[in-house]
Amino acid sequence: GAGVSQTPSNKVTEKGKYVELRCDPISGHTALYWYRQSLGQGPEFLIYFQGTGAADDSGLPNDRFFAVRPEGSVSTLKIQRTERGDSAVYLCASSQNGGANTGELFFGEGSRLTVL
Amino acid sequence: GEDVEQSLFLSVREGDSSVINCTYTDSSSTYLYWYKQEPGAGLQLLTYIFSNMDMKQDQRLTVLLNKKDKHLSLRIADTQTGDSAIYFCAESISGSARQLTFGSGTQLTVLP
Repeated sequence: GAGVSQTPSNKVTEKGKYVELRCDPISGHTALYWYRQSLGQGPEFLIYFQGTGAADDSGLPNDRFFAVRPEGSVSTLKIQRTERGDSAVYLCASSQNGGANTGELFFGEGSRLTVL
Repeated sequence: GEDVEQSLFLSVREGDSSVINCTYTDSSSTYLYWYKQEPGAGLQLLTYIFSNMDMKQDQRLTVLLNKKDKHLSLRIADTQTGDSAIYFCAESISGSARQLTFGSGTQLTVLP
């Protein structure tokens, strides 16, 4: 597709379960980002990939959160032992060159996670 | 740490100008951005400004930057109902354009 694709669009899970959220960036974009947006807040940075490697994972809140991008394209955000506080919209974005200065990120529509 | 603040709500009449304000704290910010979020859609970059600029104009949008006061504004001329959305101000951290710090967003409502 032409834009950043995220699946699932909605995920409801129970406390303690494991969740995977997938992001398919724009073709050819080397940089990929995960952000988390809680209700009424702006997006908060989680992790940034340049190619296959996590160039900056300083935003991951704790070790229950992990993300991979094994082939430098699709990325999966993994959350273990989910907690109610993890409920949020998880946004993925990509850009053509993570080091470029314009900062133009192309965002997907997000995956809304609800932990009951 | 870095912080970006915006007022939460703004209502204007169709045809009027809208001004959305933002303050930030990171004096080393190199780039500042305005993103738009419509219901059910991803964030969309509207415009950005380099920190060595005071003003940038792009059609109906005018961005003003007061670096001394760390104040950024977005003016939308001739506001239309289609401009109703949440507008986020964002700054780059310490000169890196890769990681953005966003404000909480301003909900713009355009009344007919």
